[in-house]
Amino acid sequence: GAVVSQHPSRVICKSGTSVKIECRSLDFQATTMFWYRQFPKQSLMLMATSNEGSKATYEQGVEKDKFLINHASLTLSTLTVTSAHPEDSSFYICSARERARGHEQFFGPGTRLTVL
Amino acid sequence: GEDVEQSLFLSVREGDSSVINCTYTDSSSTYLYWYKQEPGAGLQLLTYIFSNMDMKQDQRLTVLLNKKDKHLSLRIADTQTGDSAIYFCAENRAGGYNKLIFGAGTRLAVHP
Repeated sequence: GAVVSQHPSRVICKSGTSVKIECRSLDFQATTMFWYRQFPKQSLMLMATSNEGSKATYEQGVEKDKFLINHASLTLSTLTVTSAHPEDSSFYICSARERARGHEQFFGPGTRLTVL
Repeated sequence: GEDVEQSLFLSVREGDSSVINCTYTDSSSTYLYWYKQEPGAGLQLLTYIFSNMDMKQDQRLTVLLNKKDKHLSLRIADTQTGDSAIYFCAENRAGGYNKLIFGAGTRLAVHP
């Protein structure tokens, strides 16, 4: 159990377009979901935390109007990169936590975004 | 990730033990984790240790925690080529939604 999927796994888009990335918990209820960004050969940086039905809490320096997060259900969170630019190219990883399972976060496989 | 520090690279011979070290800064962290990431993939939780423990062993993996020095280590016994990956330590900051703070990752290369 505790499987998290992401879709798409890889996306290439033109500068100025918006891209939506989905994160789903397949066999548990994700009361909290986290979105991370990872640059090549670097660590994961937390972008935002969202609870189902609530507005996301963004980390310092992350533009909330640029990276729209929606956690509309207990199994789905979406990250929309609006008006994407080449500097937004990165590996985006989500994780999910179920309150009943305690502290563990379960990670998705990641989405590679390339903005041309 | 600058609050959690790891050496960036470790090279070991197949069959030897690997020891990956990590230092963290928040003494209130309740859990400390080791994750494995293979190229192009997400993170796989290897093991974790509760902050009131000194050691945890799980098959080939041994985690040592020195809370006084805020030092965490992961020992992999009988290292295999399949262990080649990037290993991240992370601390679970107390309070709020228990966000994880990651180190920069240690790239483990296993050679014959």
